[in-house]
Amino acid sequence: EPEVTQTPSHQVTQMGQEVILRCVPISNHLYFYWYRQILGQKVEFLVSFYNNEISEKSEIFDDQFSVERPDGSNFTLKIRSTKLEDSAMYFCASRPGTRATDTQYFGPGTRLTVL
Amino acid sequence: QKEVEQDPGPLSVPEGAIVSLNCTYSNSAFQYFMWYRQYSRKGPELLMYTYSSGNKEDGRFTAQVDKSSKYISLFIRDSQPSDSATYLCAMRPYNFNKFYFGSGTKLNVKP
Repeated sequence: EPEVTQTPSHQVTQMGQEVILRCVPISNHLYFYWYRQILGQKVEFLVSFYNNEISEKSEIFDDQFSVERPDGSNFTLKIRSTKLEDSAMYFCASRPGTRATDTQYFGPGTRLTVL
Repeated sequence: QKEVEQDPGPLSVPEGAIVSLNCTYSNSAFQYFMWYRQYSRKGPELLMYTYSSGNKEDGRFTAQVDKSSKYISLFIRDSQPSDSATYLCAMRPYNFNKFYFGSGTKLNVKP
């Protein structure tokens, strides 16, 4: 069964550094998402992406964040100048988008630790 | 008022019990309703997906949506220790590309 994959599984970085989190959505899916989950807290929507552009974003998704689909398979989340409070699990998800009734499927997540 | 409210638990039940998990929401535009299961340090896994009001059954799981009360439920029959996880409800409006999640209910099924 096809699945969303994410790399790396764990990323450790120093405060102020830039990180890029990578995701390979399910092939032929059209909608892509990034979510964040701080340890012990709820899953928070960051951004959705369709047709090579952002379709919705949350208040969390400020100028520090950017997303890109550099080729036909990868979907990346870049965090510039990381802060301690960016430490969280980051989940990528994709959705077929061929029917209004379809839903999204999540990857295993990348645990980001900012020191 | 939060868009989606969910009791965080923890909910502890004996093996074989019927479990009832619930979410309430405030936005009447929500049309699609989902339940995800999340094991510790893993990504959410889709369990059930329903559109508008009504019931849907899949094995030991039953999802109910009551749009008039803005209330959704997930029932787990014959609960197993392997069902121990956090259960997240999620929902979205029609033709809108953002999903709203509850905070999750932690379930512990004791052998």
